[in-house]
Amino acid sequence: SYELTQPPSVSVSPGQTARITCSGDELPKQYVYWYQQKPGQAPVLVIYKDKERPSGIPERFSGSSSGATVTLTISGVQPGDEADYHCQSSDSNGTPVFGGGTKLTVL
Amino acid sequence: QVQLQESGPGLVKASQTLSLTCSVSGDSISSGAHCWSWVRQHPGKGLEWIGCIYHSGSTDYNPSLKSRLTISVDASENHFSLKLSSVTAADTAVYYCAREERNGYNSIFDYWGQGTLVNVSS
Repeated sequence: SYELTQPPSVSVSPGQTARITCSGDELPKQYVYWYQQKPGQAPVLVIYKDKERPSGIPERFSGSSSGATVTLTISGVQPGDEADYHCQSSDSNGTPVFGGGTKLTVL
Repeated sequence: QVQLQESGPGLVKASQTLSLTCSVSGDSISSGAHCWSWVRQHPGKGLEWIGCIYHSGSTDYNPSLKSRLTISVDASENHFSLKLSSVTAADTAVYYCAREERNGYNSIFDYWGQGTLVNVSS
């Protein structure tokens, strides 16, 4: 079955830039969506179609893609950004697939 | 504001059927614009798409769960439901309902319920 690969964890200090990657063979052909999930809460969409930002999401959150890897970048990381981040795309049949999630720790 | 709320038993015995309902407010399932989905998250793990249903009753299921899965909709009550049969401990998870917008082969989950933990006991 199709898989999206994320690093299990990323750690940064406040004010630094965090980069979280998501890799998958279909990504050159499919969009990626990013969700932020804080403990005990439901996921919240932060990036759609690789790089678009929903209304209400700070400009500090951005997305980019290069071949089979998509990257979520959080600039000027704040303590409140500490959360799990999940990428999501679709396989060749259109079935939604999620990555394993990345825990962002703000040191 | 679109809101989704899951309801159902938090404890299910192994081999029995897990049943959950998602009540939708702020949007009408009958509008036909979305696929109404279930997503689960095993403890400490990533998200897993379970399946979704359109207002017409047409469904799309995760192949890995298809043999045990039934998703139904009651558009008049503006809710949809999940039934997962023959559960085991591996089905212990937080179950979320979500609104899924599909465009070709792309899906986006723009509204989520708060999630409900279902434990499968032996």
